[in-house]
Amino acid sequence: AQKVTQAQTEISVVEKEDVTLDCVYETRDTTYYLFWYKQPPSGELVFLIRRNSFDEQNEISGRYSWNFQKSTSSFNFTITASQVVDSAVYFCALRGGTASKLTFGTGTRLQVTL
Amino acid sequence: DTEVTQTPKHLVMGMTNKKSLKCEQHMGHRAMYWYKQKAKKPPELMFVYSYEKLSINESVPSRFSPECPNSSLLNLHLHALQPEDSALYLCASSQDQSSGNTIYFGEGSWLTVV
Repeated sequence: AQKVTQAQTEISVVEKEDVTLDCVYETRDTTYYLFWYKQPPSGELVFLIRRNSFDEQNEISGRYSWNFQKSTSSFNFTITASQVVDSAVYFCALRGGTASKLTFGTGTRLQVTL
Repeated sequence: DTEVTQTPKHLVMGMTNKKSLKCEQHMGHRAMYWYKQKAKKPPELMFVYSYEKLSINESVPSRFSPECPNSSLLNLHLHALQPEDSALYLCASSQDQSSGNTIYFGEGSWLTVV
């Protein structure tokens, strides 16, 4: 069985602060894929990143960075210099083996205030 | 902007009504999905279509009836719904069902059953 845990239910930061969203996963598959999605209040799930289990390189995209560590089964997401527009619910998700099903974590609500 | 388009964005229907949610994608994807999302919960998979054939039905009640008229379109027919079916319904697509493919979501249809 697959499982994704996002222990942080809600995080509040002041604009320009850095914030890290945690994601821990469980899977028995040797090949699997990890994803992060952003869901603003409008409802759309916006794809942010996909990482496969064989690629542990960290990735940076503008103010966003991701740290993938297989040793701790974690795929954490950091926003540097947060902005009000970053306010949303962020979901970490896992897809493994031949499964077409995307297993989501429970989401972390990020509130960025001025 | 999302390349998965859903209509209508908002729908209010009575328990005896028949209505449909529509979804369209022009990315040439051959897998399409319906997800249901209740407030403060992650999305839950309902149906998967692969090459226009129903591939997965996650034990969804028969009052929800999916249809895939062609490779670009996906409908969800609604009949005799209950108030607890009120939720955000998300359509999504991916290149195919393989777990390594990213699933792209639409903006969702907010459904209220009265």
